[in-house]
Amino acid sequence: GAVVSQHPSRVICKSGTSVKIECRSLDFQATTMFWYRQFPKQSLMLMATSNEGSKATYEQGVEKDKFLINHASLTLSTLTVTSAHPEDSSFYICSASWDQNTEAFFGQGTRLTVV
Amino acid sequence: EDKVVQSPLSLVVHEGDTVTLNCSYEVTNFRSLLWYKQEKKAPTFLFMLTSSGIEKKSGRLSSILDKKELFSILNITATQTGDSAVYLCAVGAYNTDKLIFGTGTRLQVFP
Repeated sequence: GAVVSQHPSRVICKSGTSVKIECRSLDFQATTMFWYRQFPKQSLMLMATSNEGSKATYEQGVEKDKFLINHASLTLSTLTVTSAHPEDSSFYICSASWDQNTEAFFGQGTRLTVV
Repeated sequence: EDKVVQSPLSLVVHEGDTVTLNCSYEVTNFRSLLWYKQEKKAPTFLFMLTSSGIEKKSGRLSSILDKKELFSILNITATQTGDSAVYLCAVGAYNTDKLIFGTGTRLQVFP
């Protein structure tokens, strides 16, 4: 299957700082990437849909100024958690697919801990 | 509002048992239903179903879709401890790239 690489896998940061998470499709071009957040023992919650070359589409209730998404190329999308707070601590996962008719491939996820 | 509901929420079995996980959906312009297995990190793909009545099989896992009754089941036979995971069901629609995820079923298999 196709490979999606997410980095870092784990990050600890101080409250008030910003953290950038990268999501790369290694062997295919992903015009659309998705960012999810997952709380312990809960399902994936879609945060935003990231389209290459245009602004991301955020789900209701997700602060776009706090969770900055950039999709600069067909293989890279980044999520920046700005002015992080402890309540932002979570597991963040990206996914990508090249076609609606194929499965979505997930990155390894990033566990963010804000202290 | 589109929704995907999985049941049971959790399941505890012994090795060798057979389990059936359920996923029902109400999604406008249904395109496909996908099953994922999530252990400690990101979900890994199991099956994609688009047509009713056609069973997909991979080893001890199999899945089938009923588009009339709007549900899918995932069967795991002769379960092993390595099957312990959260199994996620997701549905895609024609008018969007997004997947709508269910809450997942947490399966624990004990020796």
